[in-house]
Amino acid sequence: GAGVSQSPRYKVAKRGQDVALRCDPISGHVSLFWYQQALGQGPEFLTYFQNEAQLDKSGLPSDRFFAERPEGSVSTLKIQRTQQEDSAVYLCASSLVPGLRAGELFFGEGSRLTVL
Amino acid sequence: TQLLEQSPQFLSIQEGENLTVYCNSSSVFSSLQWYRQEPGEGPVLLVTVVTGGEVKKLKRLTFQFGDARKDSSLHITAAQPGDTGLYLCAGAGDTGGFKTIFGAGTRLFVKA
Repeated sequence: GAGVSQSPRYKVAKRGQDVALRCDPISGHVSLFWYQQALGQGPEFLTYFQNEAQLDKSGLPSDRFFAERPEGSVSTLKIQRTQQEDSAVYLCASSLVPGLRAGELFFGEGSRLTVL
Repeated sequence: TQLLEQSPQFLSIQEGENLTVYCNSSSVFSSLQWYRQEPGEGPVLLVTVVTGGEVKKLKRLTFQFGDARKDSSLHITAAQPGDTGLYLCAGAGDTGGFKTIFGAGTRLFVKA
């Protein structure tokens, strides 16, 4: 597609529910990132994929968070047993360049998660 | 832990004024980017600076990368209401791995 597409745009979950957030990156982009952005803050790194390989997951806040990109294109961020502190905007970004030079990111519009 | 500190956190100015936003770190980055984010949208890349001391201009915006590649500034000349938004700096390519680190942002409001 022309840009990074994320769905759903908005998700309201009850505490304890599992949620899945989808990211469709720009076609041909090797690198894919997930970020978490709290209200009024900058994006915080969660995880990085180079094609289908998850090379860095150091930003995932707990083992309730899981991300995958099985075919090196679409990615899913899954949050199990959601907590109120998980409420945030989850941003997906892709980049044509792999690895350490993947500095120029193209972002989707984000998925806003509200946990009640 | 790498950090990018932005200042000021919030800035409210009149149309036509000039402003400078700063981005500082104790770490060296191979490149640094500036993004602008509007409510309900993802950040959009404005510029990437790579070389220490580099200066780039984008219409009324001037970006500078520090000589030591640890800091950067964004200067806006004759601000307009359309410049309103959250300005984020981001650093990439350090020895810490694959992540691009973002600052907390400077929220700019330009009043007509």
